[in-house]
Amino acid sequence: AQTVTQSQPEMSVQEAETVTLSCTYDTSESDYYLFWYKQPPSRQMILVIRQEAYKQQNATENRFSVNFQKAAKSFSLKISDSQLGDAAMYFCANFGNEKLTFGTGTRLTIIP
Amino acid sequence: GAVVSQHPSRVICKSGTSVKIECRSLDFQATTMFWYRQFPKQSLMLMATSNEGSKATYEQGVEKDKFLINHASLTLSTLTVTSAHPEDSSFYICSARLQGGEKLFFGSGTQLSVL
Repeated sequence: AQTVTQSQPEMSVQEAETVTLSCTYDTSESDYYLFWYKQPPSRQMILVIRQEAYKQQNATENRFSVNFQKAAKSFSLKISDSQLGDAAMYFCANFGNEKLTFGTGTRLTIIP
Repeated sequence: GAVVSQHPSRVICKSGTSVKIECRSLDFQATTMFWYRQFPKQSLMLMATSNEGSKATYEQGVEKDKFLINHASLTLSTLTVTSAHPEDSSFYICSARLQGGEKLFFGSGTQLSVL
């Protein structure tokens, strides 16, 4: 069984600052993928960043980067230069055994 | 990019009626589609995995007779909530998987309200 844990229900950050969202996971699969999704008030799920478990190099997408610690089963998301449009729910997710399992989410607030 | 269309976006129905939600992959073939349910301020919970041409696989605790899933073509999966009750009111989201890949593309969701 797969589990994904997000221990921060809410986070806030000053505009232009950096914030890190935490995520830990557990899986028995050797081949899996990790994702961060953003869900704004429209509730459309938007893919933020993706990491293949077999790759040691941390994924980056513009202002978004991850810190993937495979041995610790940790997958945190760093948002640099936070913008007002980054305000949303962020979900960490694990795709393995043909299923995508989500964490409980972190609500990110951007303070102008 | 890959687009998934979900319809309707919002539906209100009376208790005891059935409601059908459609999920279409517009520009790619999706051999697998997933149906999720999301309660307010909660995460997405996988309800079932829908494979084209075969029976859906339901997660534990999901009533297959209540949530009928049909995946008759490579671009269309439907979820029918039968004999809906107020406790079925929720946000339902579908996602489609590119064949052989791990990327999932999401529909825009359906808010179901049962009166």
